[in-house]
Amino acid sequence: DTAVSQTPKYLVTQMGNDKSIKCEQNLGHDTMYWYKQDSKKFLKIMFSYNNKELIINETVPNRFSPKSPDKAHLNLHINSLELGDSAVYFCASSGDPVNEQFFGPGTRLTVL
Amino acid sequence: QKEVEQDPGPLSVPEGAIVSLNCTYSNSAFQYFMWYRQYSRKGPELLMYTYSSGNKEDGRFTAQVDKSSKYISLFIRDSQPSDSATYLCAMRKGTGGGNKLTFGTGTQLKVEL
Repeated sequence: DTAVSQTPKYLVTQMGNDKSIKCEQNLGHDTMYWYKQDSKKFLKIMFSYNNKELIINETVPNRFSPKSPDKAHLNLHINSLELGDSAVYFCASSGDPVNEQFFGPGTRLTVL
Repeated sequence: QKEVEQDPGPLSVPEGAIVSLNCTYSNSAFQYFMWYRQYSRKGPELLMYTYSSGNKEDGRFTAQVDKSSKYISLFIRDSQPSDSATYLCAMRKGTGGGNKLTFGTGTQLKVEL
């Protein structure tokens, strides 16, 4: 009964490809997030959705497009992958804006 | 210069030592301060959550916030090998703004037998 799950766990792909990462939370939370963690462990927010509405959109290339089909799911689609996109991507969720954010296990993306 | 600065380490201590982890920040609008622990190849998990200045204790962990100095600390007493992980400080402004957390770069801690 994983709280925040992500698929796939590992993703290895060629430059120029398009890929998607899926996230699901079973905590009943209203808010979900995507973070990128680089090789130096720096964790930076990319997007946040509250009840399927985009509320945070950091300076992220528009090759990255989040989609929230319902409040339990937040997917991340990446077009035209570049070498610099290699990182670990974490999904997180929280019950309301002041509450703890629960993180998923991460998706390790490697672009060759 | 990043909004939140944290010494990346690695920090290596013997079992039983007191560990002090610190972050400094530049934005005085930050009001909520957190410490996350991240084991290798896992997602971060919340360890401590404090609001404004002061101390908070939870078992072997104590979090301190000094807003006047823009400085936060996490102390771990009687450190154990299981405490070996990367510790990330995080902070955010008041309510609103979508609960955007700004993280430090993390300090890698190794507790040795």
